[in-house]
Amino acid sequence: EIVLTQSPDFQSVTPKEKVIITCRASQSIGRSLHWYQQKPDQSPKLLIKFASQSISGVPSRFSGSGSGTDFSLTINGLEAEDAAAYFCHQSSNLPLTFGGGTKVEIK
Amino acid sequence: EVQLLESGGGWVHPGGSLRLSCTASGVDFHSYAMNWVRQAPGKGLAWVSSISGSGGVTYYADSVKGRFTISRDNSKNTMYMQMNSLRVEDTAVYFCAKSPTVIGAIEIWGQGTMVIVSS
Repeated sequence: EIVLTQSPDFQSVTPKEKVIITCRASQSIGRSLHWYQQKPDQSPKLLIKFASQSISGVPSRFSGSGSGTDFSLTINGLEAEDAAAYFCHQSSNLPLTFGGGTKVEIK
Repeated sequence: EVQLLESGGGWVHPGGSLRLSCTASGVDFHSYAMNWVRQAPGKGLAWVSSISGSGGVTYYADSVKGRFTISRDNSKNTMYMQMNSLRVEDTAVYFCAKSPTVIGAIEIWGQGTMVIVSS
């Protein structure tokens, strides 16, 4: 099983700051890494697919990078509505797995 | 707009059974793989099972293999999860989710249905 390790677990950030969340895979997964945002009592929403591909309707301040085992999600200029949990997910191998999540709080 | 709507959750004793349903709209249902992903209260996401567009290929997490059965009826745009021999640790919100292939990026999620297994 491919283990995805996210860091940090929690981040308290001021609006307009840059946020970087990392996701490390226990083995190489190419670019089969996707990022989701989940707000309280809501289902996850796809932000970035295949490491860096943008999704229609997602604000341009969200971007992704990486390949192999190391990936990152960047929020350029955090807004209040970005308070949420963020998860990475790999679709390279079964079982499909998810990172433990990063909770982003607005200061 | 693609919408996925789960139903069938509820409270059940350990050892009991439930059948979850997920009905899709706004999509060529047979063209896409479907998945079940669960989230225990206050916890992260955990993949449960996937099924191909035709229904001919299925996969399960080890934790549910032999107890859960995924299926779909493309004529009804609906996917199912028959859950037997339920355990306390199966307590979670169950999301259905769409992906382009059976091992692929999960793109669209339903709102989830809560399953509580407790005596």
